[in-house]
Amino acid sequence: GQNIDQPTEMTATEGAIVQINCTYQTSGFNGLFWYQQHAGEAPTFLSYNVLDGLEEKGRFSSFLSRSKGYSYLLLKELQMKDSASYLCAVRAPSGANNLFFGTGTRLTVIP
Amino acid sequence: DTAVSQTPKYLVTQMGNDKSIKCEQNLGHDTMYWYKQDSKKFLKIMFSYNNKELIINETVPNRFSPKSPDKAHLNLHINSLELGDSAVYFCASSPPQGRATEAFFGQGTRLTVV
Repeated sequence: GQNIDQPTEMTATEGAIVQINCTYQTSGFNGLFWYQQHAGEAPTFLSYNVLDGLEEKGRFSSFLSRSKGYSYLLLKELQMKDSASYLCAVRAPSGANNLFFGTGTRLTVIP
Repeated sequence: DTAVSQTPKYLVTQMGNDKSIKCEQNLGHDTMYWYKQDSKKFLKIMFSYNNKELIINETVPNRFSPKSPDKAHLNLHINSLELGDSAVYFCASSPPQGRATEAFFGQGTRLTVV
C-alpha cells in the first residue's frame, strides 16, 4: 500500500521561508515529486528527487532522505502568488510511471 | 500549444446518465493516466495506459472504463453516474519510465452529478 502524509494547511508571511514536510511509506520507491496546484487549476511540476540530498531550483528546493522516508519542499522569499496547494507524490517502481499523491498542503501567504 | 487537453471543462449531469470525458496529448508520451480529485483535494490515480494497454486499475468501479483509440488519446467513459462520482477528473501523460521527467496534467474536468 501507499501512505503519504503532509500537513493539511500552513500559513507564512511574504518574504519569509517555509518548509513543507512529506513522509511516506510505500511498497517500492522510484522517485519523489513535488507539484504545485492553484485553486481550480491543474497540478504543475516543481521538483523531482530520486537520490538522497537537496535539489535546488531558484526559490524552490526539495530534499529527500530515502532511509527515513522523508522529503521536504523549501520555498524562499515567499510571494503572494505562492499561495497554493503543494502535493507530494511518490512514483511506484512498477511498469507504469504511476504517481501516488499525498493529500496536499494548502499554503497561504499573508502580507 | 496545449500539451494535455481534456474536454469538457465542466460537466453537469443527472444520476444514472452515461457520460464521457476526452483527453488528448501532443507530447508523444507513451503513458496516459486518469486521476480523480475529490472534495478534500485528494488526488488519486484511477487508470494508466501504456501503449494502448491498461496496466493498472486502482480498485475503480467497473462503471468507469478507459478507452484509448491511439497513443495520443485516453478517454474516460462513466456509466450509471452516481452522486459520489462528483469530482474533478484530471488526465495526465508521461514519457517512458527510466527518464527523470514528470507527468503533465490536463486542466481538469469538473463533473457534478445531480
